[in-house]
Amino acid sequence: AQTVTQSQPEMSVQEAETVTLSCTYDTSENNYYLFWYKQPPSRQMILVIRQEAYKQQNATENRFSVNFQKAAKSFSLKISDSQLGDTAMYFCAFMNPRTSGGKLIFGQGTELSVKP
Amino acid sequence: AAGVIQSPRHLIKEKRETATLKCYPIPRHDTVYWYQQGPGQDPQFLISFYEKMQSDKGSIPDRFSAQQFSDYHSELNMSSLELGDSALYFCASSLVSQETQYFGPGTRLLVL
Repeated sequence: AQTVTQSQPEMSVQEAETVTLSCTYDTSENNYYLFWYKQPPSRQMILVIRQEAYKQQNATENRFSVNFQKAAKSFSLKISDSQLGDTAMYFCAFMNPRTSGGKLIFGQGTELSVKP
Repeated sequence: AAGVIQSPRHLIKEKRETATLKCYPIPRHDTVYWYQQGPGQDPQFLISFYEKMQSDKGSIPDRFSAQQFSDYHSELNMSSLELGDSALYFCASSLVSQETQYFGPGTRLLVL
């Protein structure tokens, strides 16, 4: 069974600085998808970024980028120029269309606080 | 752009009562997923539908059932509610060919 682990329950960063959130996963599959979702205090689940395992290039979305290390099964999220609005719970998620039927398997989450 | 719609947004029920949660996916999305998020927990998959057929089932209690209708909206029916069913229930939708799931705002269920 696939598992996702986020080893940092809480992190904090000063506004305008850079922070990296860690995520590791376990799978024997070769083709899968990885996601980062953000859950602010409103508790809405917002897609931040997605990575296809077959792509070697790391995904980037504005201030958000990932470091995808397939061999190490690592998928970290880097947030540059942190803003107060980035304060939220961040969930890493794994999906394998073939074996998991498309369902997302989430990590435990990392609560990020951006301080002014 | 249209998003996933869930209703109601908040629901308060007594133990042993029944609740029905509704989900309206993004137009043209063919797949619907239901997740349950307990306090301080990550979302847990309950059930999914593709083209109105159940496609996968997770840790969904037998007291819960769900279906997807001809207009692609989905309903999660919960009977004999227990205190432990208090949670945030998310619906997400996707195009099966695109793999990315978009979440609705959730329904907060409180069982007293």
